[in-house]
Amino acid sequence: KAGVTQTPRYLIKTRGQQVTLSCSPISGHRSVSWYQQTPGQGLQFLFEYFSETQRNKGNFPGRFSGRQFSNSRSEMNVSTLELGDSALYLCASSLDPTGIPYNEQFFGPGTRLTVL
Amino acid sequence: AQSVTQLDSQVPVFEEAPVELRCNYSSSVSVYLFWYVQYPNQGLQLLLKYLSGSTLVKGINGFEAEFNKSQTSFHLRKPSVHISDTAEYFCAVSPSGTYKYIFGTGTRLKVLA
Repeated sequence: KAGVTQTPRYLIKTRGQQVTLSCSPISGHRSVSWYQQTPGQGLQFLFEYFSETQRNKGNFPGRFSGRQFSNSRSEMNVSTLELGDSALYLCASSLDPTGIPYNEQFFGPGTRLTVL
Repeated sequence: AQSVTQLDSQVPVFEEAPVELRCNYSSSVSVYLFWYVQYPNQGLQLLLKYLSGSTLVKGINGFEAEFNKSQTSFHLRKPSVHISDTAEYFCAVSPSGTYKYIFGTGTRLKVLA
């Protein structure tokens, strides 16, 4: 079974631009979460989608948004990029079967975003 | 609110020596506990998890961790490390029923020859 895939793997943008990152979960997984990883802050939770609905949200400004499609693929968008948005953006998918109160998350390789 | 503390940002250790990576958490509700490993330029891979039952859990690559409820700790151990264990290790908690993960800031394990 193929793992979580993220595209693109590397991206360079300039301040003020916007960017869209894509994540394809493991087949059958319905939950997709996004994280921002930076050397100083570690992994910070951005948001989680399940069945096309945002179920959880972290403490990030409104410039960060996401969506999930009917096939569970997800995209995240960052508008008006700032230098501080440079980070590794990780996507994780999970099965989220009903009745089990936890998710085992499977991570993709990440998209490294550099803002100049 | 829940939080995870990994006090050691870097741990150097010689090959074949034992290692312990520390993780403490705070939570007012029951949590599930996880350790992940991240190799350079890769995503995170699950090493082991504690859901319930025996407090000593064994994972992949010879790692194990012990859940201590009274000390709210979940330390990761390996009796003999290899050069290939050089990576960053993350402890995470997921409060029961929330489907959310809170990660620690990571510990960089460097195994020296």
